[in-house]
Amino acid sequence: RKEVEQDPGPFNVPEGATVAFNCTYSNSASQSFFWYRQDCRKEPKLLMSVYSSGNEDGRFTAQLNRASQYISLLIRDSKLSDSATYLCVVSSYNQGGKLIFGQGTELSVKP
Amino acid sequence: DAGVIQSPRHEVTEMGQEVTLRCKPISGHDYLFWYRQTMMRGLELLIYFNNNVPIDDSGMPEDRFSAKMPNASFSTLKIQPSEPRDSAVYFCASSLSGQRTYNEQFFGPGTRLTVL
Repeated sequence: RKEVEQDPGPFNVPEGATVAFNCTYSNSASQSFFWYRQDCRKEPKLLMSVYSSGNEDGRFTAQLNRASQYISLLIRDSKLSDSATYLCVVSSYNQGGKLIFGQGTELSVKP
Repeated sequence: DAGVIQSPRHEVTEMGQEVTLRCKPISGHDYLFWYRQTMMRGLELLIYFNNNVPIDDSGMPEDRFSAKMPNASFSTLKIQPSEPRDSAVYFCASSLSGQRTYNEQFFGPGTRLTVL
């Protein structure tokens, strides 16, 4: 079983739609959680950190459920420019804090 | 401000040749990471350094791979001899430790390696 699992997609949605991505992680000692975004043939970039109480950044909302070891990302009013691969990332101190990346979920927003 | 710099951006080589990938982290960052990305395996951490010292190289696939960080502003990843299955995009990333030890990692543009 992979340490971080995501639905690979692709998710094909029309502009303006709301889309949600889910992610599960296996290491209960994980302490830091992130969503990274990777555009085609580019490097990954931090989209947002995920906090226990949940957090929002504009159209993006991230949620964490430690009991279920589950992370989610919600994108509201999706734009063409949101088309990318979204990587769920976890980190834990008992692994030296290295980042463990999920395989990514591909999103394609159509006009 | 310059981000993480990697060179070359593209490398095409023949099986058996030595390949050296280079990375310059963001100035002042104390962590440096080497990753490999393929369609099949996704993004994999190969090795990372803290203050130029290798901390975890458990992701290095074989003895054919080696990495060095002779100073705070330069690191290399070497593959010798290279094989077709090494074809991938290799990313270097750096980060700055702080109150939360592992903060945002900044990635370079990657080196796209093709081994024929």
